Amino acid sequence: EADIYQTPRYLVIGTGKKITLECSQTMGHDKMYWYQQDPGMELHLIHYSYGVNSTEKGDLSSESTVSRIRTEHFPLTLESARPSHTSQYLCASSTPGGDNQPQHFGDGTRLSIL
Amino acid sequence: GNSVTQMEGPVTLSEEAFLTINCTYTATGYPSLFWYVQYPGEGLQLLLKATKADDKGSNKGFEATYRKETTSFHLEKGSVQVSDSAVYFCALSDLGGGFKTIFGAGTRLFVKA
Repeated sequence: EADIYQTPRYLVIGTGKKITLECSQTMGHDKMYWYQQDPGMELHLIHYSYGVNSTEKGDLSSESTVSRIRTEHFPLTLESARPSHTSQYLCASSTPGGDNQPQHFGDGTRLSIL
Repeated sequence: GNSVTQMEGPVTLSEEAFLTINCTYTATGYPSLFWYVQYPGEGLQLLLKATKADDKGSNKGFEATYRKETTSFHLEKGSVQVSDSAVYFCALSDLGGGFKTIFGAGTRLFVKA
């Protein structure tokens, strides 16, 4: 069973606030990912990391930023939240190695910006 | 570039019906293929995978066969249950794509009692 945790599960907050979405995993995985999931279900990769001090932007442009100071922790920050940031955010991790390694997902943070 | 196309939903079935969700892919190399499932209010979970041509992945009564000649990885189950209601994602990962996983758009399945 995968052990990857996201907090908070739900967040409703006003425009202009700074937000940090937390993601932690206890599996020692080097690779970690953030996805934005549309209400229509499609997943969009917004950030990923291949290890400590490694961060890359994903396929979907995002105003959020990430950091990877510790292997187990991959937080996502929005400096000034806007209604367009309302979405579900999913964190995932995987082991290094070849292309046959699946991703393990957290349960997500559902974010609503008023 | 790599891509995954899966059938649009929602798919609505009665309990004990046969399920097929179609998935086709385009890849520059020889990808690994996956099916993930997302239950309401949760993240995605790996359902099954196949890493080379003609491999069959199976789990919880679900099966999918890696067909290189048709570039397909269709998901099947012989008899669905209400508890199978969820969103199903087909995905691929390969060296040509830098090992990033490419997900299909998802297919929502409703199973009626």
